[in-house]
Amino acid sequence: DAKTTQPTSMDCAEGRAANLPCNHSTISGNEYVYWYRQIHSQGPQYIIHGLKNNETNEMASLIITEDRKSSTLILPHATLRDTAVYYCIVSGTYKYIFGTGTRLKVLA
Amino acid sequence: EADIYQTPRYLVIGTGKKITLECSQTMGHDKMYWYQQDPGMELHLIHYSYGVNSTEKGDLSSESTVSRIRTEHFPLTLESARPSHTSQYLCASSEWGQGNYNEQFFGPGTRLTVL
Repeated sequence: DAKTTQPTSMDCAEGRAANLPCNHSTISGNEYVYWYRQIHSQGPQYIIHGLKNNETNEMASLIITEDRKSSTLILPHATLRDTAVYYCIVSGTYKYIFGTGTRLKVLA
Repeated sequence: EADIYQTPRYLVIGTGKKITLECSQTMGHDKMYWYQQDPGMELHLIHYSYGVNSTEKGDLSSESTVSRIRTEHFPLTLESARPSHTSQYLCASSEWGQGNYNEQFFGPGTRLTVL
């Protein structure tokens, strides 16, 4: 079973921020939080990762709670091309366990 | 930009045929992975490799086999394809980073249909 829980689907208006939550209440101290997305069943694309601190890159921001039991991926200005399935993965080893992810639909 | 390639991208084949799905990466990564994904479903790890001459079965049982003779190449073989093997197969690679950091780079996938 996946170590994370995500909402099945979300909608977001184009140009608005998309906030995708993820619960990982059993995370261990050495486990990273990774976010990937998959567009039209292509290979998953890396977005961002974090361990304890909040992180930001050119694609997104990752907010991790102080107890590390949950996180939020933020796409600051969603576009139609951000429509995809977003996976939150917790891992401290070579192995990823994928859950069903959140299907984000960006609406024009 | 990740450099990991899969061929063919699409394959339609009859029952009983032997097939090999190719996966190559030019990043020199030690670790490579095969995932299986049915339409609309999550990815399941079916094989992985720590390096040359190392292969292990993943979390989902699969009738396929893999080999790792060269660092850059990780082919997957089905000796006798069946309709139940119809799925998308995704290859990935990674390099162990600082601490336990392990970003995986994915190929575009091979969509297999067995008639």
